[in-house]
Amino acid sequence: EDKVVQSPLSLVVHEGDTVTLNCSYEVTNFRSLLWYKQEKKAPTFLFMLTSSGIEKKSGRLSSILDKKELFSILNITATQTGDSAVYLCAFYTGNQFYFGTGTSLTVIP
Amino acid sequence: DAGVTQSPTHLIKTRGQQVTLRCSPKSGHDTVSWYQQALGQGPQFIFQYYEEEERQRGNFPDRFSGHQFPNYSSELNVNALLLGDSALYLCASSFGSGGEQYFGPGTRLTVT
Repeated sequence: EDKVVQSPLSLVVHEGDTVTLNCSYEVTNFRSLLWYKQEKKAPTFLFMLTSSGIEKKSGRLSSILDKKELFSILNITATQTGDSAVYLCAFYTGNQFYFGTGTSLTVIP
Repeated sequence: DAGVTQSPTHLIKTRGQQVTLRCSPKSGHDTVSWYQQALGQGPQFIFQYYEEEERQRGNFPDRFSGHQFPNYSSELNVNALLLGDSALYLCASSFGSGGEQYFGPGTRLTVT
């Protein structure tokens, strides 16, 4: 059965810290992996990764995919309180999207 | 440019009733996907509509059905509501089936 596992489940850090969130997957037909940030309701799109080893960056956030080892990481540097949210990863098989349960990140001042 | 919109925001129904949720996709998008998100869980894929047809379906019973209109907007219908159907229902739109999905604010359904 296709599945995605995120770790850690939750994380509390101080402002300015760097965090690494993990997403591993087992899927029969991989097409792409996506990262989302969910604060209250709607998840907001962060990155879509399709190729192994190519880092995507947006400001303090970056992500990379390893298709051989079947995982992706999301890095956030110089964290701010506004980064507090649940971070979701999902993969697309060509038929549907599978989401993980998310990592809850809390950034304290 | 309006993003994805959903209505209503909140809804309270009784077991056994039927409910219809609505979604308008982001301008330029032609594909709508529906998700159910229980508290503390990731979104679970219900189905996806493209060209007014259901193209993909997740592991949900036939009580969950949908429709897409010529203007790409979509409805999610749930019949014979159960307590376990209480959740946040999210709609996401994209251009094509595997593209970047943009989510709406969701409809919080409570079944009593």
